[in-house]
Amino acid sequence: EAGVVQSPRYKIIEKKQPVAFWCNPISGHNTLYWYLQNLGQGPELLIRYENEEAVDDSQLPKDRFSAERLKGVDSTLKIQPAELGDSAVYLCASSPLAGEPNEQFFGPGTRLTVL
Amino acid sequence: GQQLNQSPQSMFIQEGEDVSMNCTSSSIFNTWLWYKQDPGEGPVLLIALYKAGELTSNGRLTAQFGITRKDSFLNISASIPSDVGIYFCAGQLYSGAGSYQLTFGKGTKLSVIP
Repeated sequence: EAGVVQSPRYKIIEKKQPVAFWCNPISGHNTLYWYLQNLGQGPELLIRYENEEAVDDSQLPKDRFSAERLKGVDSTLKIQPAELGDSAVYLCASSPLAGEPNEQFFGPGTRLTVL
Repeated sequence: GQQLNQSPQSMFIQEGEDVSMNCTSSSIFNTWLWYKQDPGEGPVLLIALYKAGELTSNGRLTAQFGITRKDSFLNISASIPSDVGIYFCAGQLYSGAGSYQLTFGKGTKLSVIP
């Protein structure tokens, strides 16, 4: 079974440019998460989807960040415009059941560098 | 929100030695989880603990859910070079409406000297 797929793996952009990250969760997983991981820190939740509904986006900086999961499967996270402080690893994770204290499966992440 | 204090921040040990790391919180959690992250990869779950006082093993790994529900430790016995990586604790808390919130510690970076 394929794991969580993310692309691109690396992205280097100049500040003020837009950038988008893509995630394809494990087949059949209804819950999808986007996390931000700064260097030397643990992942921090940005947004959580149950199917196509964003049920927790309280930590998403909505002035420049947006996300969508239109068909309840794959998801896109966008930053526009990017700032220097956005340099980090963006992790996507999925889990099979909403509300279950079960495992979140993480993708390899997209490492963003903003110059 | 909840904050987790994970220690030590980093460890250098000789191959074959045992390792211990822990996490503490000012808040209680329903579940404690321990993840390992290799460079360039996402975290991978090692052990999940669901009950206060629970002691669980997974091969050379042993973890315990503290009685107060505010702490957990992870032990690795007889370390080997492939144990190198960053270990994260994570506390999971029911946040209402059937959803759970996961809070990560800052990680313990483990280096194993052959």
